[in-house]
Amino acid sequence: AQRVTQPEKLLSVFKGAPVELKCNYSYSGSPELFWYVQYSRQRLQLLLRHISRESIKGFTADLNKGETSFHLKKPFAQEEDSAMYYCALGSGGGADGLTFGKGTHLIIQP
Amino acid sequence: GAVVSQHPSRVICKSGTSVKIECRSLDFQATTMFWYRQFPKQSLMLMATSNEGSKATYEQGVEKDKFLINHASLTLSTLTVTSAHPEDSSFYICSAREYGQGYTFGSGTRLTVV
Repeated sequence: AQRVTQPEKLLSVFKGAPVELKCNYSYSGSPELFWYVQYSRQRLQLLLRHISRESIKGFTADLNKGETSFHLKKPFAQEEDSAMYYCALGSGGGADGLTFGKGTHLIIQP
Repeated sequence: GAVVSQHPSRVICKSGTSVKIECRSLDFQATTMFWYRQFPKQSLMLMATSNEGSKATYEQGVEKDKFLINHASLTLSTLTVTSAHPEDSSFYICSAREYGQGYTFGSGTRLTVV
């Protein structure tokens, strides 16, 4: 069975500090991993997907198959990064829906 | 980029009535769309996969007779909550994927059954 674990419900860091949001997954096949962000009262927005290996808004995430992790990182947090972050797992190919983690509420303190 | 429109954004209905929610892909064709449910302060749970021109695939524990899904065209999927009860009150979100891209989500529908 697919599973996504985000161990931190809430993460509070100061502006300018590094941020790491943890995500571990369980999947027997070849996974497709995503990070979505949800700002207050807005829809889910795609932040990153492991296939593209992009850096969006200063965030990066590397898929580590050995550790089955896809942690989200940013070297210097900004106040506008405060939001809900969801890690999600797809089976690849796009024919199946996503399995979401419970989400991490990131708060950036001034 | 890909845009998914969901309507209505908010609906209140009486217990026992049915409610239809629409999900449209605005600038791309989607042979597959997905419906999720999100309870307050919880994550999204996949309810069903909507397939254009064929029957939807429901996740375990989701009543297909309660949540009717119709995917009549490549740009429209509808979710009908039949004989709604207060426990069906929730936030329903649809999603679609443009080929080669990530999944795009609608803005969600807040259903309140009174």
